[in-house]
Amino acid sequence: GDSVTQMEGPVTLSEEAFLTINCTYTATGYPSLFWYVQYPGEGLQLLLKATKADDKGSNKGFEATYRKETTSFHLEKGSVQVSDSAVYFCALSEGGGGADGLTFGKGTHLIIQP
Amino acid sequence: SAVISQKPSRDICQRGTSLTIQCQVDSQVTMMFWYRQQPGQSLTLIATANQGSEATYESGFVIDKFPISRPNLTFSTLTVSNMSPEDSSIYLCSVRKQGVYEQYFGPGTRLTVT
Repeated sequence: GDSVTQMEGPVTLSEEAFLTINCTYTATGYPSLFWYVQYPGEGLQLLLKATKADDKGSNKGFEATYRKETTSFHLEKGSVQVSDSAVYFCALSEGGGGADGLTFGKGTHLIIQP
Repeated sequence: SAVISQKPSRDICQRGTSLTIQCQVDSQVTMMFWYRQQPGQSLTLIATANQGSEATYESGFVIDKFPISRPNLTFSTLTVSNMSPEDSSIYLCSVRKQGVYEQYFGPGTRLTVT
């Protein structure tokens, strides 16, 4: 079955550092890929998405590129802020147009120190 | 996006009882899903709530334990039946609109079973 593997945290960085959170996946077809974020005390929010190979999703300074050859969708940000502290989930959806439910990675807890 | 509400937001229940969680969306949506997030864990798909037909359950989840209704395109319920402490989790509904790939999540229902 489908699976998502992401680096587990917590990941602790200083403000303005460069961020990479690795995510790799296993899927039988051509999934859509997502990053979701869960800020402290808040619900799950879509951060960015990519629906086909070589697509780059971006939002709020975060980027991730759908790499079919390496089955990866790593999340990056050039300069993190304290407000980026949250849990980040990589996820995929199979089915036409992402019709299936989401398969999530275990989540990466990111802590940004001032 | 979509505005999603869930009721109740939290509850503490006795072992052996049942709880029904409601999910309401502010517009008609193609697909609705139910997830569980156990303490400190990632999200796991329970089932897809199909409008006008029986829900589609994932491996490890059964209708007798988690009956689901979806009477129309904006509303669904999930019942957690004959609860045990192992059912203590956050239960989230999500929706996907026609023509888009991403899912949007409700705020969740935090359930504690004593």
